[in-house]
Amino acid sequence: GAGVSQSPSNKVTEKGKDVELRCDPISGHTALYWYRQRLGQGLEFLIYFQGNSAPDKSGLPSDRFSAERTGESVSTLTIQRTQQEDSAVYLCASSLSWTNPIQYFGAGTRLSVL
Amino acid sequence: EDKVVQSPLSLVVHEGDTVTLNCSYEVTNFRSLLWYKQEKKAPTFLFMLTSSGIEKKSGRLSSILDKKELFSILNITATQTGDSAVYLCAVAQGGSEKLVFGKGTKLTVNP
Repeated sequence: GAGVSQSPSNKVTEKGKDVELRCDPISGHTALYWYRQRLGQGLEFLIYFQGNSAPDKSGLPSDRFSAERTGESVSTLTIQRTQQEDSAVYLCASSLSWTNPIQYFGAGTRLSVL
Repeated sequence: EDKVVQSPLSLVVHEGDTVTLNCSYEVTNFRSLLWYKQEKKAPTFLFMLTSSGIEKKSGRLSSILDKKELFSILNITATQTGDSAVYLCAVAQGGSEKLVFGKGTKLTVNP
């Protein structure tokens, strides 16, 4: 595609529900990244994929967070049993490869947990 | 702990002013520094700086890196209302794929 695409753009959920956030990277980009941006804060690294494998999961805040990537393309970030502190914008980025530091970002999913 | 600090956190100017945004960093195994512009949606890439003292320029925007003093500046001349955004500074480290971001500088350009 022309750019990184994320869906949904907005998600409102009730505390305790599970949510899935989707990211479609730029075609041909082998590296994919998830970040979280809380209000007024910088971007916080969550997880990174090279191809379909995730060598670095160190940023996932708890075991309620998981992510997968299939076909070296689409990635899904799943948050189980959502809590109010999970409310944030979740941004996805992709780059040509893990050796190329220039990351291109999607517009994000704004998650609100009531 | 690796950290990237941006200043000021917010700035309000009038159209036509020149602004300088600052980014300092303390990271292990520095590789490169990147600037992004974030309006309401996706951060968009502006510059990547790897070498000290070499200015990168794009129209009214320019940036330079000082690896000895561990900082970078982003200059915007003749500001326009369309420059209003949050400007993010990020550092890439060797051996790590993630970017370490600062909190950003919110620039507001009033007509």
